[in-house]
Amino acid sequence: GAGVSQSPSNKVTEKGKDVELRCDPISGHTALYWYRQSLGQGLEFLIYFQGNSAPDKSGLPSDRFSAERTGGSVSTLTIQRTQQEDSAVYLCASTPGAAPRGETQYFGPGTRLLVL
Amino acid sequence: KQEVTQIPAALSVPEGENLVLNCSFTDSAIYNLQWFRQDPGKGLTSLLLIQSSQREQTSGRLNASLDKSSGRSTLYIAASQPGDSATYLCALEGGTSYGKLTFGQGTILTVHP
Repeated sequence: GAGVSQSPSNKVTEKGKDVELRCDPISGHTALYWYRQSLGQGLEFLIYFQGNSAPDKSGLPSDRFSAERTGGSVSTLTIQRTQQEDSAVYLCASTPGAAPRGETQYFGPGTRLLVL
Repeated sequence: KQEVTQIPAALSVPEGENLVLNCSFTDSAIYNLQWFRQDPGKGLTSLLLIQSSQREQTSGRLNASLDKSSGRSTLYIAASQPGDSATYLCALEGGTSYGKLTFGQGTILTVHP
């Protein structure tokens, strides 16, 4: 079956512009995670969704970052007024369970964001 | 705060060698530890998951061990092949109930023919 998909695969934007990154999890997966992978920082957790709710947003680096999930499926990560330090690969992952502890996370290919 | 360190940062070996990648962590209160593989431009692929109560897991030429008391895990790759070239990441699932992972910086492995 289809895996986790993300779009766009690459995004180049100018500093100060807003961007939207999309994640389509595996069909039926209830848990969804966003991570960011940047040089020097490694892979960092951003936010976790269970269904349409986000019980943990603790990894979002600033209030310029927000995310939502609709229909228990697609999720959008929005970065407002982008800064050069936002340049990174944004990865999405999903797991099937309502209690996803201990489950293997299935990752998408990521969106590579470059802020000029 | 959990700190995860992977050594070495990069490794280059000839085909056929057995090799060991290391992962260390500061907080032993983990739920499980996972090893992932990342190919350039691709997402992460889970290789092995070791529950905190387990000592090791094996899959084909891969063997991962876990020693919680010393805060260490190793990934052993037997008879390495050029197709094993990738970045290998270890990740810990800690005290939350929902699978949040804390990652190491990764080891870039190159296996040359």
